[in-house]
Amino acid sequence: DTEVTQTPKHLVMGMTNKKSLKCEQHMGHRAMYWYKQKAKKPPELMFVYSYEKLSINESVPSRFSPECPNSSLLNLHLHALQPEDSALYLCASSQGGTESYEQYFGPGTRLTVT
Amino acid sequence: AQSVTQLDSQVPVFEEAPVELRCNYSSSVSVYLFWYVQYPNQGLQLLLKYLSGSTLVKGINGFEAEFNKSQTSFHLRKPSVHISDTAEYFCAVSLTGANNLFFGTGTRLTVIP
Repeated sequence: DTEVTQTPKHLVMGMTNKKSLKCEQHMGHRAMYWYKQKAKKPPELMFVYSYEKLSINESVPSRFSPECPNSSLLNLHLHALQPEDSALYLCASSQGGTESYEQYFGPGTRLTVT
Repeated sequence: AQSVTQLDSQVPVFEEAPVELRCNYSSSVSVYLFWYVQYPNQGLQLLLKYLSGSTLVKGINGFEAEFNKSQTSFHLRKPSVHISDTAEYFCAVSLTGANNLFFGTGTRLTVIP
């Protein structure tokens, strides 16, 4: 099973709302990632969790707050977003450690900020 | 620093014709190489990967790619495309032993009936 699941598929939120994106994998992977993808652009790395610890934060604004409750789950908490934050948010996972090899991506959450 | 270049932003090709999508990378250290495909409104799916060994790698859906170290290239090929191959294709590299993936800007493959 090489599946990464993400919920919800679509999310519309106002600039004053608080919402969360959820990602789950059951491949025993120990590295998990959040990416942001704008239309017709490649994914941009936001955060990396390795063994449930935040290892990379690519200077993401604090209105995005990641959380890794356990090795299978990854959340992205959203608060006071801006319209320019509208994008496809992708979660990915990989084996972890020093030999991460390939990343497996979820289907994404299409976020619209109004 | 490492970078990935996909020179062709769009590639139109007729159905059943061959196609090559180009990818060049730059890195001063060893890398792993990947091709991902993204269908409309979906996530990225791994097509194939080069980690080590044979420089010709075969992937899903009839795609293959060849790693050329001297030319720092990893071009993707398919001998006969189908309408269903219409999608965005991303080349990516990662440093050996690192978690980061560096993506190219993508190539939009459009298969014309």
